Amino acid sequence: GAVVSQHPSRVICKSGTSVKIECRSLDFQATTMFWYRQFPKQSLMLMATSNEGSKATYEQGVEKDKFLINHASLTLSTLTVTSAHPEDSSFYICSARGRSRGPYSNQPQHFGDGTRLSIL
Amino acid sequence: QKEVEQDPGPLSVPEGAIVSLNCTYSNSAFQYFMWYRQYSRKGPELLMYTYSSGNKEDGRFTAQVDKSSKYISLFIRDSQPSDSATYLCAMMGNEKLTFGTGTRLTIIP
Repeated sequence: GAVVSQHPSRVICKSGTSVKIECRSLDFQATTMFWYRQFPKQSLMLMATSNEGSKATYEQGVEKDKFLINHASLTLSTLTVTSAHPEDSSFYICSARGRSRGPYSNQPQHFGDGTRLSIL
Repeated sequence: QKEVEQDPGPLSVPEGAIVSLNCTYSNSAFQYFMWYRQYSRKGPELLMYTYSSGNKEDGRFTAQVDKSSKYISLFIRDSQPSDSATYLCAMMGNEKLTFGTGTRLTIIP
């Protein structure tokens, strides 16, 4: 159980292109989805948190107009990198968390397999 | 000082050995502790998820949490070449997950 599918796995495109990445929870309802960025040999850096039906919360330093996040349903969130430039090249990973039990958000996050984005 | 400290390795051990991976943390707000395994070019896969101090066992994996020392460990018994990966500790408090840098592990056949 707890499968998260991320698509596409690899994108190579020209500078100035907008790229959309999809994240789907296949066998559970994801009330919260997270988007991370990972540089080579470094840990995951949280970019934003999105709850179904509401606006995403972005981490400090992440441009919300650059990285558009939509979480329209309990099983789908999308990240759109707008007008991508070479410095946006990275490994983007989404995760999803199911409905919490009790007053605390204690469900673990389950991750997709990531999208390697290369901007030429 | 980082909130979560993890030795990046690399760590190489022979097949069949017991592997010990560790993280320390400084934030007392962390309540939930996880270990993820990440293969190259893949997303992290949840291995262990614990809340309280003590040990939790799942097959060849044992997670250990010592909240008084702010120290967590993951032990892998009878290590296999397929265990070669990067292991990330992660901790949650106030709804955010904070990761260690990951330890790259290689099991030598």
